[in-house]
Amino acid sequence: DTEVTQTPKHLVMGMTNKKSLKCEQHMGHRAMYWYKQKAKKPPELMFVYSYEKLSINESVPSRFSPECPNSSLLNLHLHALQPEDSALYLCASSPSGGQGREKLLFGSGTQLSVL
Amino acid sequence: AQRVTQPEKLLSVFKGAPVELKCNYSYSGSPELFWYVQYSRQRLQLLLRHISRESIKGFTADLNKGETSFHLKKPFAQEEDSAMYYCALSGSGSARQLTFGSGTQLTVLP
Repeated sequence: DTEVTQTPKHLVMGMTNKKSLKCEQHMGHRAMYWYKQKAKKPPELMFVYSYEKLSINESVPSRFSPECPNSSLLNLHLHALQPEDSALYLCASSPSGGQGREKLLFGSGTQLSVL
Repeated sequence: AQRVTQPEKLLSVFKGAPVELKCNYSYSGSPELFWYVQYSRQRLQLLLRHISRESIKGFTADLNKGETSFHLKKPFAQEEDSAMYYCALSGSGSARQLTFGSGTQLTVLP
């Protein structure tokens, strides 16, 4: 399996809901990432996990809570989101420990709409 | 701090014409540069990276440290090249994570 798989593909949630996004890779990659992408804009880094430990949090609001239960799985827990959080959420992985200068493999994303 | 600039938001060329997507960067150290491409309704994917010096789908890019540029070129554009192209930079230390440019939407006209 040489892909990063994200579920669900689409998610609609209210501002009081709690939901989770899921990302999986089975390539033995040691770093996993969450990005947020608005339409026609570049991806913005949110979190980086290196060897299952959170190594970078780009000052993301606490209503986004990442979790890395094991080396193959990355979750993003969502709670009390705002309409401006509506975006495409991308997961990515890279072979080394997120130390940079390495290519990222992206998932197809979860299109999130917050009503 | 590092920065990546893609001056053209939109670029249209005719099929068979040469295409060049511009990318300029600012970074005090020695960067690694990438081009990522996002076709319509497809995932963001790596097109090429300067360190590998390979040609993918007929595209090439040369790192010009003097001009701090990493322009993407193809001699004969195809309609299937229509996509959003992002130039990205990775530095070292605190700048090691990818910094993306704002992107260029390329449209190849028949």
